[in-house]
Amino acid sequence: DAGITQSPRHKVTETGTPVTLRCHQTENHRYMYWYRQDPGHGLRLIHYSYGVKDTDKGEVSDGYSVSRSKTEDFLLTLESATSSQTSVYFCAISESIAGGTDTQYFGPGTRLTVL
Amino acid sequence: QKEVEQNSGPLSVPEGAIASLNCTYSDRVSQSFFWYRQYSGKSPELIMSIYSNGDKEDGRFTAQLNKASQYVSLLIRDSQPSDSATYLCATYSGTYKYIFGTGTRLKVLA
Repeated sequence: DAGITQSPRHKVTETGTPVTLRCHQTENHRYMYWYRQDPGHGLRLIHYSYGVKDTDKGEVSDGYSVSRSKTEDFLLTLESATSSQTSVYFCAISESIAGGTDTQYFGPGTRLTVL
Repeated sequence: QKEVEQNSGPLSVPEGAIASLNCTYSDRVSQSFFWYRQYSGKSPELIMSIYSNGDKEDGRFTAQLNKASQYVSLLIRDSQPSDSATYLCATYSGTYKYIFGTGTRLKVLA
């Protein structure tokens, strides 16, 4: 298994509070991703990173920000959580993107509930 | 909007039968294709990847790609109850984006 951990694994929070999810990898892979998974929508990309301090938006980035200060850590922040952000969040990593042939490996996920 | 389409299922097959999972994609420039298996409450894990037209076999799994028809499939031979899961089809569509289908739920009946 790829060395990817996510913390926390479960979180319940209230609307309007800030929330930070952490993804940590031990593979030294350059590329990291945050997805959310909801019934009927599949996996949707929130943000991705192609290197330290290099990040960009995915298809559902509104209400989320990210930071990557070290190769191994990719943080996802919900500045002011809303009920629509209740979801399962997965972090993924990949080694290189050349031709898109490299596989993404997924972390165990974080189940977030916003009340 | 580039899309990957899958039948949500459930697809039910008896133990020992061949399960056939299908996926179509809309972006003609998609260059890489992946099948992930996801057990309930778990993260997706890679089953197969395929990049060229034709078949690719790995154990009980065979991936088939037809770029002209924009179609990719996964065959599971000798299906086992442990194969019961949701199978996600994904394509690489450029600009660091992997596009995922919503998945097909497979049930293998003992």
